[in-house]
Amino acid sequence: NAGVTQTPKFRVLKTGQSMTLLCAQDMNHEYMYWYRQDPGMGLRLIHYSVGEGTTAKGEVPDGYNVSRLKKQNFLLGLESAAPSQTSVYFCASSGGLARFTDTQYFGPGTRLTVL
Amino acid sequence: AQKITQTQPGMFVQEKEAVTLDCTYDTSDPSYGLFWYKQPSSGEMIFLIYQGSYDQQNATEGRYSLNFQKARKSANLVISASQLGDSAMYFCAMREGGSYIPTFGRGTSLIVHP
Repeated sequence: NAGVTQTPKFRVLKTGQSMTLLCAQDMNHEYMYWYRQDPGMGLRLIHYSVGEGTTAKGEVPDGYNVSRLKKQNFLLGLESAAPSQTSVYFCASSGGLARFTDTQYFGPGTRLTVL
Repeated sequence: AQKITQTQPGMFVQEKEAVTLDCTYDTSDPSYGLFWYKQPSSGEMIFLIYQGSYDQQNATEGRYSLNFQKARKSANLVISASQLGDSAMYFCAMREGGSYIPTFGRGTSLIVHP
């Protein structure tokens, strides 16, 4: 059982380049999330999805877009990367059946550097 | 106002001793869940333990237990018999009944000395 996987694990971009981070889960979870983690800032929510075909903005959505065309996948796109987007990106998923008891499970993270 | 507060940026403990990591929360929702995660230096976020607002007993998972004091709005993580592998960042999180989105604290760094 793979759980939550993220592709790629590491990436270096130049300013202005674009890329897509892929998150996949095999737990049939309804909810999926993208976070970024910066030193001393904890986890900050970028975007989230409560089901296939739905997306919503989180705390820090600017500069990112997302899509959830399939229930098991949640894509995070950077259209024009900036050095401020250098961070570790985590994807998470949760079942969604009963919200406040709903445990999030995280992927291993993607370390992105924008030069 | 912060919904989750972890006041200890760093903690040190001797191997085999117990340690308590503090977490206080703020909510007016009667239905909520509290979660603790461990993040070792390798970076992954590992779910440790869950406590629901309606649970009568403190949650336990192996060496981890949650000291849940509802009236004081605290959910402290207790690690018994610390091991070197417990050295990590620990995050407290809360999910309210009316929200899809959990709130995370800033984390506490734990270092276990041999």
